[in-house]
Amino acid sequence: GENVEQHPSTLSVQEGDSAVIKCTYSDSASNYFPWYKQELGKRPQLIIDIRSNVGEKKDQRIAVTLNKTAKHFSLHITETQPEDSAVYFCAASNFHTGRRALTFGSGTRLQVQP
Amino acid sequence: NAGVTQTPKFQVLKTGQSMTLQCAQDMNHNSMYWYRQDPGMGLRLIYYSASEGTTDKGEVPNGYNVSRLNKREFSLRLESAAPSQTSVYFCASSGADSGNTIYFGEGSWLTVV
Repeated sequence: GENVEQHPSTLSVQEGDSAVIKCTYSDSASNYFPWYKQELGKRPQLIIDIRSNVGEKKDQRIAVTLNKTAKHFSLHITETQPEDSAVYFCAASNFHTGRRALTFGSGTRLQVQP
Repeated sequence: NAGVTQTPKFQVLKTGQSMTLQCAQDMNHNSMYWYRQDPGMGLRLIYYSASEGTTDKGEVPNGYNVSRLNKREFSLRLESAAPSQTSVYFCASSGADSGNTIYFGEGSWLTVV
């Protein structure tokens, strides 16, 4: 089955700096790569996703890049703010098959220092 | 529009007791999922249901059973709870009309003593 590795496990940045979180996946058939943000005691919430026919996607301060050849994808947050502090999870799945369940990375705890 | 609703939100069980976590979605999604999240860890798939009438095992199915009661509802049952099943349980759903985005419920905090 799919295996998703995520690094780093913790990341501390100064407000206004950029943050980068990286993930690798093992199943070359995976074609959908979402990123979720989870605040303490809350449910995971989708912040951005990318499909395998696209190399990069941006949404305001957030961007995701995908390298299918290397089987890795990254989340980039620019101009970080204290409210960006949370745990971020990457995930992968193949949504063309009957099994669309996501396989998650182990998470990155991002702390933005004011 | 409530999205994905789970009950109960909190539960304490004694070892060996049984219980059922209920989940319902009102987004007309075909696929539903149960994940567990242990402290400081990612989410691991317990069971999923690609469509009404079908269920399949995920990564960590041992000790659990599921029922896809209808298109809206997907329940998770612990037949004989063990301390290792202390976790936060998330139900989720997805459908083609929402771009296959997976939406999560608010979670159920389960402690087995």
